[in-house]
Amino acid sequence: DTAVSQTPKYLVTQMGNDKSIKCEQNLGHDTMYWYKQDSKKFLKIMFSYNNKELIINETVPNRFSPKSPDKAHLNLHINSLELGDSAVYFCASSQGWGGAGNQPQHFGDGTRLSIL
Amino acid sequence: GESVGLHLPTLSVQEGDNSIINCAYSNSASDYFIWYKQESGKGPQFIIDIRSNMDKRQGQRVTVLLNKTVKHLSLQIAATQPGDSAVYFCAEKSGGNLIFGKGTKLSVKP
Repeated sequence: DTAVSQTPKYLVTQMGNDKSIKCEQNLGHDTMYWYKQDSKKFLKIMFSYNNKELIINETVPNRFSPKSPDKAHLNLHINSLELGDSAVYFCASSQGWGGAGNQPQHFGDGTRLSIL
Repeated sequence: GESVGLHLPTLSVQEGDNSIINCAYSNSASDYFIWYKQESGKGPQFIIDIRSNMDKRQGQRVTVLLNKTVKHLSLQIAATQPGDSAVYFCAEKSGGNLIFGKGTKLSVKP
C-alpha cells in the first residue's frame, strides 16, 4: 500500500484555469505538507498543516490554498494558474509537529504540473 | 539567513566504491537532519536521520556524520551499487519545517 499518494500524477492545463491536486496518507500521521520542486530540483515548503494550525510560507501566492477534509487528506487548490506554476508538487506527512518530536517526513511521488 | 547547501552538485563513482556526499548548513539552532534519496519520477525517500546530540549514525550501507562545529553533514554509502544512482538531498529541521539543500546527483558507473 502506498503510504502517501497523490493524484493526478500528471496535470496539463491552460493558463488561467483552476485546478486541484489531491493527497492522502495512510500512515496515521497528524501533520501534512505541500512542497514545490522547480526545474533545478530545489524543494521548497509551501504549507505545513495539522488539525490545529496552518503555516503558510509567505512566498506562496494566495492563489494557492490547502484544504483538509480530514486528518488523512490535504488537497492543494490553485486558482488562475500561471506559467510560473509549472513544477512538480509533492505532498508529505509526518508524525509530530514542529519541535514535538523529530520524525522524518514521508513523501508522495509528486504531481507534475505543466501550464500551457 | 538559513540555508542548506551542497559542495558538489554531481558525483560519479565506480560500482563497488564508497560514496561521500557533503552538505553544509548555516542554522546552528537546527536540531534534526535528514538525508533523502530521489529517483527519477519519484518523491524523496527517507534514507537516514540524525539528531543534533549525535555525531554519527549508521544504517544499512549508509552512515551519516554530523559536525556541528563547522556545520557540516555528510552521507557515506558503502559499496555503491547502480541502484544508488539518484539525487540526494540533505535537509535540516528549522522552526518546525524542513529546509532542503540543492541536491547532489550520484551516478554509479558499472
